[in-house]
Amino acid sequence: GQQVMQIPQYQHVQEGEDFTTYCNSSTTLSNIQWYKQRPGGHPVFLIQLVKSGEVKKQKRLTFQFGEAKKNSSLHITATQTTDVGTYFCAPSFSGGYNKLIFGAGTRLAVHP
Amino acid sequence: NAGVTQTPKFRILKIGQSMTLQCTQDMNHNYMYWYRQDPGMGLKLIYYSVGAGITDKGEVPNGYNVSRSTTEDFPLRLELAAPSQTSVYFCASSYGIVRTNEKLFFGSGTQLSVL
Repeated sequence: GQQVMQIPQYQHVQEGEDFTTYCNSSTTLSNIQWYKQRPGGHPVFLIQLVKSGEVKKQKRLTFQFGEAKKNSSLHITATQTTDVGTYFCAPSFSGGYNKLIFGAGTRLAVHP
Repeated sequence: NAGVTQTPKFRILKIGQSMTLQCTQDMNHNYMYWYRQDPGMGLKLIYYSVGAGITDKGEVPNGYNVSRSTTEDFPLRLELAAPSQTSVYFCASSYGIVRTNEKLFFGSGTQLSVL
């Protein structure tokens, strides 16, 4: 079935360092959403990317959608302990699908 | 506005028992979803519904059943619980289809252990 590869699976950084997670698909995506799940919590929507080459920023977070709409990235500048959690990409595939499939997630640990 | 409400929050089942996980939303959303999340893993889609009376299978539907008799409620039924169904179950909803820029709202989850 259609799926995405999200890398890395886990990353730990020192507070203040940057962090990037990538989401890669072998097929063209309709759009892609990103969610954050704090430890013990539920996923919370961060953003959606729709257009080829789109870049969106939310304070220290930068989201990109590839030109071919097959990959996406989330970059956090100068991580803080509040950034701890698991970041999931959730792509929608072209072809009439109404469901949202999630990537495996990248778990971020931030050491103070 | 409560959003998406799941009950119970925790449950322990014996192998072979049955139970229903409840999910209700008060946002008048058309679409509802059930996901499971195994420890340290991502979310797998079990079933989803695009409206009352309409349901469809997701990635991992075996061992589960759903129904959607009203817009608000989307219960998930486990008929013969197995240890492999030990997981955290999340219900989610959205107003429209996610391909048209609709985001998911998640409930707080049900932690289920089958022993």
